[in-house]
Amino acid sequence: QKEVEQDPGPLSVPEGAIVSLNCTYSNSAFQYFMWYRQYSRKGPELLMYTYSSGNKEDGRFTAQVDKSSKYISLFIRDSQPSDSATYLCAMNGNTNAGKSTFGDGTTLTVKP
Amino acid sequence: NAGVMQNPRHLVRRRGQEARLRCSPMKGHSHVYWYRQLPEEGLKFMVYLQKENIIDESGMPKERFSAEFPKEGPSILRIQQVVRGDSAAYFCASSPSRTGAQETQYFGPGTRLLVL
Repeated sequence: QKEVEQDPGPLSVPEGAIVSLNCTYSNSAFQYFMWYRQYSRKGPELLMYTYSSGNKEDGRFTAQVDKSSKYISLFIRDSQPSDSATYLCAMNGNTNAGKSTFGDGTTLTVKP
Repeated sequence: NAGVMQNPRHLVRRRGQEARLRCSPMKGHSHVYWYRQLPEEGLKFMVYLQKENIIDESGMPKERFSAEFPKEGPSILRIQQVVRGDSAAYFCASSPSRTGAQETQYFGPGTRLLVL
């Protein structure tokens, strides 16, 4: 069983829709939770990171972490065609010395 | 302010040759991480280095792969006697030196290795 499981895609939504992307994990030591966006044939771009449980909002993006359920989410409001990309969740903990464990990614297409 | 630099961006090697991938971290960053991404898969951690030290190499294959981050110059990921299964995108990330910043890893554009 993988340490991090990410909802498989692909996901296709109309422009303006609310998008929900999710990951579950099994390692209780994870403390830092990140979301990356990766455009085709590019490097991952850090979107947001959250420490421990709670919500964090940045513009149209909201990250949620529920450590009791080992479940994290990224919400995108008013989705745009430019949001079309692969979204990767990642996480690590204080004992991991910087090693991040990634989900396999969810490919999102926002149709105009 | 330049980001993480990787070169070459594309590398073609024949089976049995050596591949050298280079990574220059962001200015002020002294922590470097290497990840491998196979097609349709997420990133898999390979190795974490600080200047002149390997901190965690738990994701590195036991044979043919090595990494270094010298006092001067870029970090190097070296793959000896490449095989077709080594074909992948190899990403380097860096993070700031301060404690607690391990979550803020910034990625380079990657090197796409193709083994013929």
